[in-house]
Amino acid sequence: DAGVTQSPTHLIKTRGQQVTLRCSPKSGHDTVSWYQQALGQGPQFIFQYYEEEERQRGNFPDRFSGHQFPNYSSELNVNALLLGDSALYLCASSFPQGIYGYTFGSGTRLTVV
Amino acid sequence: DQQVKQNSPSLSVQEGRISILNCDYTNSMFDYFLWYKKYPAEGPTFLISISSIKDKNEDGRFTVFLNKSAKHLSLHIVPSQPGDSAVYFCAASAIGTNTGFQKLVFGTGTRLLVSP
Repeated sequence: DAGVTQSPTHLIKTRGQQVTLRCSPKSGHDTVSWYQQALGQGPQFIFQYYEEEERQRGNFPDRFSGHQFPNYSSELNVNALLLGDSALYLCASSFPQGIYGYTFGSGTRLTVV
Repeated sequence: DQQVKQNSPSLSVQEGRISILNCDYTNSMFDYFLWYKKYPAEGPTFLISISSIKDKNEDGRFTVFLNKSAKHLSLHIVPSQPGDSAVYFCAASAIGTNTGFQKLVFGTGTRLLVSP
């Protein structure tokens, strides 16, 4: 049974560029949440998607956007990259009522230079 | 505003001894608490949780204690093993808000090193 799959595992981008990160949820899960973990910090909630809609959003600017597809997979897009966007981006999948079955992927390490 | 705090960045313990990891929170709306373990290059893995209606939950070598009046919880690992060496995150959520949605608010983590 595959868990949460994220791609790519590592990525290097230049300031001002745009990036797309991808996540496939665990089998049976239909809700996807994205978190940003900066160095030395705990994961910070970005937003959650359910039924292809953004259900709630954390304190992140509009440069961060997402999408959920009919097969429940999800993308995180970040525009106009800043050096401060360098972080580990974690995807977590769950059932709609969410946190009991929360399962994290291994993350995408984004470096902005 | 750091709503969940883990004030000890690191902890070193000898194999076989008890490891105690601490966590404090400020938001009184939090009613469900979780501990996650994270190895390098892996995502956080769920370890144990506790609801605010309880003050203790035990699962094998892991026990979580909750002191609601002090807004404090702790994770006890007994006995500690070298394989327990990892970063431990405390997380909290407000399930009772009935929004049909819950997010996790994480602390900054404590790096546990268990030496043989």
